[in-house]
Amino acid sequence: DQQVKQNSPSLSVQEGRISILNCDYTNSMFDYFLWYKKYPAEGPTFLISISSIKDKNEDGRFTVFLNKSAKHLSLHIVPSQPGDSAVYFCAANRADSSYKLIFGSGTRLLVRP
Amino acid sequence: EAQVTQNPRYLITVTGKKLTVTCSQNMNHEYMSWYRQDPGLGLRQIYYSMNVEVTDKGDVPEGYKVSRKEKRNFPLILESPSPNQTSLYFCASTTGVNTGELFFGEGSRLTVL
Repeated sequence: DQQVKQNSPSLSVQEGRISILNCDYTNSMFDYFLWYKKYPAEGPTFLISISSIKDKNEDGRFTVFLNKSAKHLSLHIVPSQPGDSAVYFCAANRADSSYKLIFGSGTRLLVRP
Repeated sequence: EAQVTQNPRYLITVTGKKLTVTCSQNMNHEYMSWYRQDPGLGLRQIYYSMNVEVTDKGDVPEGYKVSRKEKRNFPLILESPSPNQTSLYFCASTTGVNTGELFFGEGSRLTVL
């Protein structure tokens, strides 16, 4: 049973528009959430994170929103750029077992010029 | 340059032929981990190590072994590879275990025939 789910395998958006990537989780004990970005033939790289005590974290064009009651988080990219085209992984962990980072299956984002 | 280095990057082998995928990090990180990435399943943790001589199983440890004799190295050993171990493997390290902000290697694509 996947504890972290990314139900959209792919997403295509126009350059300059907003990209919204979604992630759902089932374990209410998760208290730290991360997004990773992966280009082909490279390893994932950390993008942005959020603690469960917050509902929003912003870093430049990237904003992560957390809705604890719905067990849902989303990554907003505004404005989207062609260089953002990559696979995005959502991940979660628990403070009492923070070495057990659980990843979603990923969403492939294509930003069209 | 801070990095996690994996070797080999690509390998085709046959069932039962022992192989080792090496992983080395130059950031003096205490925590290291191995993941495998499979289509539709995201990244799943195989083994992790909190420090030298301390290793533990992740979610999919069957068929794998690890060792942590030195802080910088964390090799993944497949004693008798099988076709279901065909996958893309990533080594990762971090010092910030509580946050899960991992540094990943570039990946090792393994094919077992």
